[in-house]
Amino acid sequence: ETGVTQTPRHLVMGMTNKKSLKCEQHLGHNAMYWYKQSAKKPLELMFVYSLEERVENNSVPSRFSPECPNSSHLFLHLHTLQPEDSALYLCASSQEGASSYNEQFFGPGTRLTVL
Amino acid sequence: GQNIDQPTEMTATEGAIVQINCTYQTSGFNGLFWYQQHAGEAPTFLSYNVLDGLEEKGRFSSFLSRSKGYSYLLLKELQMKDSASYLCAAYNDYKLSFGAGTTVTVRA
Repeated sequence: ETGVTQTPRHLVMGMTNKKSLKCEQHLGHNAMYWYKQSAKKPLELMFVYSLEERVENNSVPSRFSPECPNSSHLFLHLHTLQPEDSALYLCASSQEGASSYNEQFFGPGTRLTVL
Repeated sequence: GQNIDQPTEMTATEGAIVQINCTYQTSGFNGLFWYQQHAGEAPTFLSYNVLDGLEEKGRFSSFLSRSKGYSYLLLKELQMKDSASYLCAAYNDYKLSFGAGTTVTVRA
C-alpha cells in the first residue's frame, strides 16, 4: 500500500449503530487529520493529531470520537449519528516542521450514509 | 475567523484557458494551496504559493498576492480530464482552511 488509505470506502449505518472509520498513512508523516466534506460546502477540519497528540478539535459533537494509537493510524469512532452527519469523511497526513513543505496528502474518503 | 471565496462553477472549451480566482481573509497566513478533486476521489495537490507572484508548472500556474488576499489558478490548453473541482485553501500553522471549491466543466 502507498499513500493514505481509508476503510471502509462506503458505510451505511442506522442512528443507533456504532462503527469506526480507519485511516492509515504509509508516508512516514507526523501529523494526521480528519475532514468532513458535504455537498457544495468547504472541507471542514474536524480533528488534528500531531505526534499522536490531539492538537485541534473544531467543536465537533461528541458522537464523533477520534483515536490515534500511533503516527501511522487514525480512527474515527461513530455512535448515535444523525442523518445530517451523512457526508464524505476524508483523512489526510502531512509532515509538519519548520523545514517541511506541509502539503497534506488525502485518502480516498469514506462515503457515510446515516439512515 | 476564516473566509475563503471562489466561484461555484466554470465552463470552458477543450483547448481554452480558464482562470479560477480565490480571495481569502484569515487570521494568520503562511501560504495558499490549490488542490484538484475528481468526483468520488481524494483531493490531490496542485500547487503551493508562499511568496507573491506566479508559479508555473506545466499547463497549470498559480498566482498569489498576499497584500490583496488574492490568488488564482490558471489552467491552460484544457483537456477533458481537467473536468474536476478545484479547491483553494489558506494554510496557517498546521491547518488548511478550504473554499467550497470551483467545479470546472470542460466541453468538447
